[in-house]
Amino acid sequence: DVKVTQSSRYLVKRTGEKVFLECVQDMDHENMFWYRQDPGLGLRLIYFSYDVKMKEKGDIPEGYSVSREKKERFSLILESASTNQTSMYLCASSLRGRQGPYEQYFGPGTRLTVT
Amino acid sequence: GQSLEQPSEVTAVEGAIVQINCTYQTSGFYGLSWYQQHDGGAPTFLSYNALDGLEETGRFSSFLSRSDSYGYLLLQELQMKDSASYFCAVSPRGGGATNKLIFGTGTLLAVQP
Repeated sequence: DVKVTQSSRYLVKRTGEKVFLECVQDMDHENMFWYRQDPGLGLRLIYFSYDVKMKEKGDIPEGYSVSREKKERFSLILESASTNQTSMYLCASSLRGRQGPYEQYFGPGTRLTVT
Repeated sequence: GQSLEQPSEVTAVEGAIVQINCTYQTSGFYGLSWYQQHDGGAPTFLSYNALDGLEETGRFSSFLSRSDSYGYLLLQELQMKDSASYFCAVSPRGGGATNKLIFGTGTLLAVQP
């Protein structure tokens, strides 16, 4: 059974803290993605990675960075957390197919609150 | 640019049929995907239309018409457990290894007894 796991289900951090969100997949997928989900805004792509050490900015990369040192692990870093980064963060992975990453597998999400 | 529009909410009764529409403006894409997300849960992949026409998977069907820039998800014999948010998504052409998925804003389906 395919699996994407995220390090925390709930997280509370203070403004200005550096925050690490970890994601691990066990499907040997090339692609990994970080999204944030806010009510009424759907899923917005922060960053994605199509190979180890490779990364691409998504639609809302400001205030975030990522790291992919191993194929199975993709980390999202909030350099200095702010209250407007309070959100649900979803990690996903997919194969690198010719039709694009149309079938993605998602982790359970991390609900981050920044106070 | 790309954008996908969906109705924000749809309500239907148990046993009925409901259609969730997705209209898009994009310069070119490979196909149309649909995802389901229950409240508090992760999105899960439902279907993919690479070609125009209807794809059927059990009670769920998905349709794509590139000429009309339009697709829909059809849910038949609605059950209470179908209450969830549904997202359409496209993967734009030309990205190569850097392909990504663009999601619509989602439709909240409420199934009533």
